[in-house]
Amino acid sequence: QKEVEQNSGPLSVPEGAIASLNCTYSDRGSQSFFWYRQYSGKSPELIMSIYSNGDKEDGRFTAQLNKASQYVSLLIRDSQPSDSATYLCAVNGYSSASKIIFGSGTRLSIRP
Amino acid sequence: EAQVTQNPRYLITVTGKKLTVTCSQNMNHEYMSWYRQDPGLGLRQIYYSMNVEVTDKGDVPEGYKVSRKEKRNFPLILESPSPNQTSLYFCASSPSSLLAGYSADTQYFGPGTRLTVL
Repeated sequence: QKEVEQNSGPLSVPEGAIASLNCTYSDRGSQSFFWYRQYSGKSPELIMSIYSNGDKEDGRFTAQLNKASQYVSLLIRDSQPSDSATYLCAVNGYSSASKIIFGSGTRLSIRP
Repeated sequence: EAQVTQNPRYLITVTGKKLTVTCSQNMNHEYMSWYRQDPGLGLRQIYYSMNVEVTDKGDVPEGYKVSRKEKRNFPLILESPSPNQTSLYFCASSPSSLLAGYSADTQYFGPGTRLTVL
């Protein structure tokens, strides 16, 4: 089992709809969870970080964390064509908190 | 401008020829890290450094060396590159190594170095 798992996609969502991206992780002791967006040929950029169970909202983005289920998700409301990118989930390890594990990413495509 | 810089951005080399990829940040960040990105495998951590003279292995350290003699610089050294090290490499930095509760801080990524080893 991979330490951080994401559906590779592509996930195709119509413009204006809600895009839902999911991530599961294996280390029950992980404390830090991140969503990065990466456009083709570019470096990852942070969308959201979340450290506590529940929802965290920032503009059109909402991160949801459920540590009991070892599950973190990212919702993008009112999806725009500019949201088309690969979304990377990242988690830190418990035994080595400074070690960061990335999922392989979900490719999101917003269709007009 | 606050940034992480990497050099070179593109490099084509041959097997066995030692090379160094430089990484520098101007934000006084404690934590720095190197990743490689391969299709279908995502970002994999090679080495990380929690502060000057403190480095540790990530998931794929074989064939790589690092050093952290100054806070701002974290070079990646390939002593004897091989074709399986052909990849896209990213350097990243974070303001702090650990937040309260053993949480990790946000990382800021450099522009990437595309390395081809023939």
